[in-house]
Amino acid sequence: EAEVAQSPRYKITEESQAVAFWCDPISGHATLYWYRQILGQGPELLVQFQDESVVDDSQLPKDRFSAERLKGVDSTLKIQPAELGDSAMYLCASSAGQASLGYTFGSGTRLTVV
Amino acid sequence: QKEVEQDPGPLSVPEGAIVSLNCTYSNSAFQYFMWYRQYSRKGPELLMYTYSSGNKEDGRFTAQVDKSSKYISLFIRDSQPSDSATYLCAINSGGGADGLTFGKGTHLIIQP
Repeated sequence: EAEVAQSPRYKITEESQAVAFWCDPISGHATLYWYRQILGQGPELLVQFQDESVVDDSQLPKDRFSAERLKGVDSTLKIQPAELGDSAMYLCASSAGQASLGYTFGSGTRLTVV
Repeated sequence: QKEVEQDPGPLSVPEGAIVSLNCTYSNSAFQYFMWYRQYSRKGPELLMYTYSSGNKEDGRFTAQVDKSSKYISLFIRDSQPSDSATYLCAINSGGGADGLTFGKGTHLIIQP
């Protein structure tokens, strides 16, 4: 079964450091999402790509977060500088088409900022 | 008021019981309703989705939507210890910016 690949699985970083997460969606999936899930909460959308274009980044804290999907395939989410409150699970998901039918999540990157 | 409300639990029931999980939402523009299951340290996996009011059944799982009350439910029959997980409801309006709005998730424990 096709999967959304994410790396690393776990990341510990110090405050003020830069950190990056990588996502490889299911082959052929044009739509890619980054979500953040704080412990005990549901995932919250950070950014949505359609191919290489950003569709929605209204909830992305743009002073410290950036996301790119240069060739419309894999994607990188970066945080610089990291803050204690950024500790969370960062989930990537992809969809082939009408996302209202649900989409496939990766296993996530668990970030701990110390 | 949050757009989607879900009781976080935990909800603990004995094996074989019928489980009822629920969410309420506030925005009548929401049209698509999904349930995800999330095991510890894993990403959410889609269980069921539905568009209209009424019931949709898939094996031991039944999703129910009542748009007039803005209330959605997931029923699990003959619950198994392997059903122990966090269950997240997710909703969207089906528009061009179609990110999902999730509930907090309900932590379900099935006791053997």
